[in-house]
Amino acid sequence: DSGVTQTPKHLITATGQRVTLRCSPRSGDLSVYWYQQSLDQGLQFLIHYYNGEERAKGNILERFSAQQFPDLHSELNLSSLELGDSALYFCASSEGLAGAGIGELFFGEGSRLTVL
Amino acid sequence: GDSVTQMEGPVTLSEEAFLTINCTYTATGYPSLFWYVQYPGEGLQLLLKATKADDKGSNKGFEATYRKETTSFHLEKGSVQVSDSAVYFCALSDGGYGNNRLAFGKGNQVVVIP
Repeated sequence: DSGVTQTPKHLITATGQRVTLRCSPRSGDLSVYWYQQSLDQGLQFLIHYYNGEERAKGNILERFSAQQFPDLHSELNLSSLELGDSALYFCASSEGLAGAGIGELFFGEGSRLTVL
Repeated sequence: GDSVTQMEGPVTLSEEAFLTINCTYTATGYPSLFWYVQYPGEGLQLLLKATKADDKGSNKGFEATYRKETTSFHLEKGSVQVSDSAVYFCALSDGGYGNNRLAFGKGNQVVVIP
């Protein structure tokens, strides 16, 4: 158990809809990362938050947005969903920014989104 | 941008066989390199890492050496077990303060047959 909790584990929805994925990081971790895993693209970095502030953006679509709340949990909002958005969405957390713990991200079990 | 390339396709081998998974990277700076493992139904977890050239990362019988001259970080294990069946991801981080994000390879499914 990594200590990172993601909900829901599975989600089935229709094209055009909007969903919210939730992530609770490990206790004490200030950084949260979102990744998308699909068969054709592999693991793609979406966005990084540190202590409530956006730190870096990767291949995140404009239809997607995220935020990190004062209690450090994070939400990833996906809107106007398309078939191609079907994927496994991972949240990961780490203690802080880079440094001694570099590269050591703790991943949740993922939220599997299916868009029909 | 920085990227990681892993050998194509799944790897199927018998118990106690030798495992090698190739990983090469492209980076403008001096990245740190990692291997992550994903067991069925679970999230990724760090297997080993190396933060500078010629470093060897090791864990659970797995090893990988950071080779700057060949831009490689191949994963090896001398004698695999059925419990090693998983997906293995090579990754890199450019390591700048404030940036702990990782770029991952596409992963290799490893199946160990008893």
